[in-house]
Formats: sequence, structure tokens, C-alpha cells
Amino acid sequence: EPEVTQTPSHQVTQMGQEVILRCVPISNHLYFYWYRQILGQKVEFLVSFYNNEISEKSEIFDDQFSVERPDGSNFTLKIRSTKLEDSAMYFCASSGPGQGTSLYGYTFGSGTRLTVV
Amino acid sequence: TQLLEQSPQFLSIQEGENLTVYCNSSSVFSSLQWYRQEPGEGPVLLVTVVTGGEVKKLKRLTFQFGDARKDSSLHITAAQTGDTGLYLCGIETSGSRLTFGEGTQLTVNP
Repeated sequence: EPEVTQTPSHQVTQMGQEVILRCVPISNHLYFYWYRQILGQKVEFLVSFYNNEISEKSEIFDDQFSVERPDGSNFTLKIRSTKLEDSAMYFCASSGPGQGTSLYGYTFGSGTRLTVV
Repeated sequence: TQLLEQSPQFLSIQEGENLTVYCNSSSVFSSLQWYRQEPGEGPVLLVTVVTGGEVKKLKRLTFQFGDARKDSSLHITAAQTGDTGLYLCGIETSGSRLTFGEGTQLTVNP
């Protein structure tokens, strides 16, 4: 069964440092996403990405966040200057290949646990 | 006010029991998805329901989409310890944003 792969599984960083979270989506998917889940809270949408540009972003996704698809397989989330409140599980997801993503559902990775100290 | 209200928030039952969890909203949806999330893992898609009144079965799990497409339920027959997890309903609130409910945390005790 195709998987969405995320690395690293755990990341500890000092406040103010930059972090890059990496994801390899399912190869024939066209839509890519980042979600996060603060401990004990619901899964929240951060950003969606299609055709090499951001389709939509939430109010959480401010100027400290950026996404990139640097090659044909990787999809990254960068946090420029981490804050304590950025500590969370970050999930990458992909969907597709066609339109009407709700019919296909989303495949999530296992997540990166980011701890900012 | 949450777009999706899931109930109950927590449910603890014995193995072999039946249960139903609910996902409700005041809005009409074109489709709704159910996911299960285990600790330290990402949500895993169980089913997508599209048509009002639709019923889908996945082994011991039965999913129903309300006639008015505002609500959905998940019924588990003869629960097993492996059914333990956080059950999430989600809808696309725009073309590319999936919004989840708070989830129902199910614990099935041996």
C-alpha cells in the first residue's frame, strides 16, 4: 500500500532556530498538505499545495512558515524562527490524482513530533 | 461553535459490545470522511460518504450519512481491542482544506 513518508519522526530544536520537516508524498498524487496537532487538541489544517504553488493556507500559516517542493518527490515545511507554541505533531498528507479530493480521501504520514525548547 | 460536533467525546466499553459515535453539524456537506487515528500516528481514512442516506460497511463498521447530509454516524459491532483509537470525522470546507471534528476517543477493554 502506498505511503506518505515523513522525516524525521522526532525533532527537538531551540526556540528561534529554523527547522525543516520533510515529506515524500504518494508518487501519483497531485495535492499536498501540512496539518498539525498540538498535544490533546484536534488536527488543524496549515496549508495546501498544488501545481507548485500554495492553494490555500490557514490563519496559523503566517510568515514564519513556508512550503516547497524542491524536486519531483519531496515536499517540505520550513519554520523560520520556532516558538514554544510551535511544539506539535506535524502531519503531511497527499491526495489525488484527480479533482474532487473528497472522493479519494487523504493519505497522512505518521508525523514529525516537533518539540521547541 | 465547532463546525463539526462529535459525540461522545470519550467512550470506554468492553470487548464484544456494540457502539455508535456521531458527527453532527448545522451545515450541509457534499461529502464526509471518517478517519481513525492511533497514538503517535496520522489519521487513516476509513470511508468517504457522499450521498444522503448512504450506508457503507467496512467489516464490523457501518457508516451512515444522514438524509439531509448534515450528520453521520459510525456503528461498530462486537468491538475488539484493536478498534481502540480516536475516530475523526472530516469535511472539506473549501476545495483543499479538510476540517476535522474534535474526535471520539474509543477505548475497548479486554
